Amino acid sequence: NAGVTQTPKFQVLKTGQSMTLQCAQDMNHNSMYWYRQDPGMGLRLIYYSASEGTTDKGEVPNGYNVSRLNKREFSLRLESAAPSQTSVYFCASSGYGDTQYFGPGTRLTVL
Amino acid sequence: AQSVSQHNHHVILSEAASLELGCNYSYGGTVNLFWYVQYPGQHLQLLLKYFSGDPLVKGIKGFEAEFIKSKFSFNLRKPSVQWSDTAEYFCAVSNDYKLSFGAGTTVTVRA
Repeated sequence: NAGVTQTPKFQVLKTGQSMTLQCAQDMNHNSMYWYRQDPGMGLRLIYYSASEGTTDKGEVPNGYNVSRLNKREFSLRLESAAPSQTSVYFCASSGYGDTQYFGPGTRLTVL
Repeated sequence: AQSVSQHNHHVILSEAASLELGCNYSYGGTVNLFWYVQYPGQHLQLLLKYFSGDPLVKGIKGFEAEFIKSKFSFNLRKPSVQWSDTAEYFCAVSNDYKLSFGAGTTVTVRA
């Protein structure tokens, strides 16, 4: 079991560029999540998908979109990157109401 | 909305010292409680969790936490730390699908 995988590991963008962060899990979990981690702020929920076919906004959704492609995959898209989106992005998955398991993260820098 | 407060931003200890990290949350309903650890350059890993039952929870690597409902607290403890415990520690609270994280406490253990 690979658990939760994320690609890419690192990315540098220029302001205004777009990109998609990919996440996949092999634990047959129903729920998947995207967080961003910034110094001194812990992790903040961007979007989540409680089950295949549904997505909902979290605490900081502005500037992001998500797609729950199937049960395994949940992608995060930045349509027009801004320097304020420089962060480390973590994907997580869980069974209903259960422990969340995290991927290794994507370190994104927007210049 | 629920919030999570971690009392210490940065704790510096010597090896063999005891560690206690405070965590308080604000939410009146039923919650699940977690402590996650993030070692340098790695993703978040679960240390321990409380869903119900015995309020004293034992986790991996000698960590334990005590849930005190009347104080809305879930403090993390370890009797004797090692250099390898140097990491960032996050308290988290979940209700339904979503996790709310504290800002994190950086623990530095000096050899």
